[in-house]
Amino acid sequence: DGGITQSPKYLFRKEGQNVTLSCEQNLNHDAMYWYRQDPGQGLRLIYYSQIVNDFQKGDIAEGYSVSREKKESFPLTVTSAQKNPTAFYLCASATGSSYNEQFFGPGTRLTVL
Amino acid sequence: KQEVTQIPAALSVPEGENLVLNCSFTDSAIYNLQWFRQDPGKGLTSLLLIQSSQREQTSGRLNASLDKSSGRSTLYIAASQPGDSATYLCAVMGAAGNKLTFGGGTRVLVKP
Repeated sequence: DGGITQSPKYLFRKEGQNVTLSCEQNLNHDAMYWYRQDPGQGLRLIYYSQIVNDFQKGDIAEGYSVSREKKESFPLTVTSAQKNPTAFYLCASATGSSYNEQFFGPGTRLTVL
Repeated sequence: KQEVTQIPAALSVPEGENLVLNCSFTDSAIYNLQWFRQDPGKGLTSLLLIQSSQREQTSGRLNASLDKSSGRSTLYIAASQPGDSATYLCAVMGAAGNKLTFGGGTRVLVKP
C-alpha cells in the first residue's frame, strides 16, 4: 500500500523541549516537504528537500531543523527556539518530474503545554 | 513574492447547486496550479493539477480552469452533495518547479 505516513498523530510538548516529527514515504518520490498550518489558514512551507542529503529553507524555517539521510524519510525537529510551535504539521512528497504533483500525509497536531 | 488569494473564505449552498470557487495569484510565471480538498483535522487530497500550458482539467464533477495572464483559476463542482463539504485549497507552484504557495482556502458547506 503506497503512501505517506506521519507519526505521531498527536504530540504534546512542554516549553523548552525539542520534538521530532516523523515522515515516511514509500512512493519512491525524490522530493519531500514540510508545511505548517495554523487554524483557518493555508499552508506555509518550512523546509523542502529535492534529493537525499540536501534540503532548503522554506518561508518559515526559523526554529526548525530537518535531515534527509534516506530517500524515504524526512524528519522535522521543532526546537525550543520556535516561539509558537502549536500547529498542524503536514508532510508531502512529489516525484520531482515535470508533472510534480504533491501528495500529502495525514498530519501531526503539535500542542505546547 | 507570489501571493495566492481565495475568496470567499466560506460558502454555503443547498444540495444540487453548482459550486464556483475562485483563486487568484499575483505572479503569472507559474509551473502548475493544484487544487486540494481538506477535511477537518486531516491531510490534503489532491483533486486536480493544471500545468501552466493547459487551460483546464476535468475529473468527474470537477472542472478547473486556468487563466495565467489574469492570474486566476476557478474550480467548478457540479451538482453539489453534502459529501462535498470541506475546505478547498488552491496552490501555485513557482516557475522553478520546486515550491507551492497556498491560498487560505474556501470552507464549503453543502446543506441537504
